[in-house]
Amino acid sequence: EVQLVESGGGLIQPGGSLTLSCAASGFSASRNYMSWVRQAPGKGLEWVSVIDSGGSTYYADSVKGRFTISRDISKNTLYLEMNSLRAEDTATYYCAVNMVTTSPFDEWGQGTLVTVSP
Amino acid sequence: IQMTQSPSSLSVSVGDRVTITCRASRGISNYLAWFQQKPGKAPKSLIYGASSLQSGVPSKFSGSGSGTDFTLTISSLQPEDFATYYCQQYNSYPYTFGQGTKLEIK
Repeated sequence: EVQLVESGGGLIQPGGSLTLSCAASGFSASRNYMSWVRQAPGKGLEWVSVIDSGGSTYYADSVKGRFTISRDISKNTLYLEMNSLRAEDTATYYCAVNMVTTSPFDEWGQGTLVTVSP
Repeated sequence: IQMTQSPSSLSVSVGDRVTITCRASRGISNYLAWFQQKPGKAPKSLIYGASSLQSGVPSKFSGSGSGTDFTLTISSLQPEDFATYYCQQYNSYPYTFGQGTKLEIK
């Protein structure tokens, strides 16, 4: 059974840094496209970043240069390092994985809330 | 690529049939997915490739379209179907979502 468990969210001041983790089980994080998607309170879904099976990474313009996606194969875990955080980065962050279909978001974690506030 | 869903909200009754539309600002072939999200929960994948049903999703959900115009149809709405639905294109980066369609009970 595929399972994704995010952690690392919390309250952080503007300009600060935070690293989110997504522990994967039931599949190999190294072989699948894995993404971060966020949702500001009361708003819609926004794709943030993806790492593909070859290790290439892509980012939304809103986070490019500030966020870094990576994975640790030995821990089967996806990460999102977030720097220079802004109030508009406040959101629930979900990790999602492509499994057997063409969609990049076949399975989702439960999310972790990041609040950027003084 | 901008994704525009309509309507933004819909008041419907149990047993109704509902159609939600999604338009892409340029052609995306069939690289279109639909998601259902209930309050406080993670999104759930319903459809990929514009018309293919995810494993375990009931057949009352169906999708169609190609290019720029897509639809999600839900037949015979049940109480558990009242949620917000999102379309999303994965033809090219940055991946983008529609703004969502909220189904409410009439």
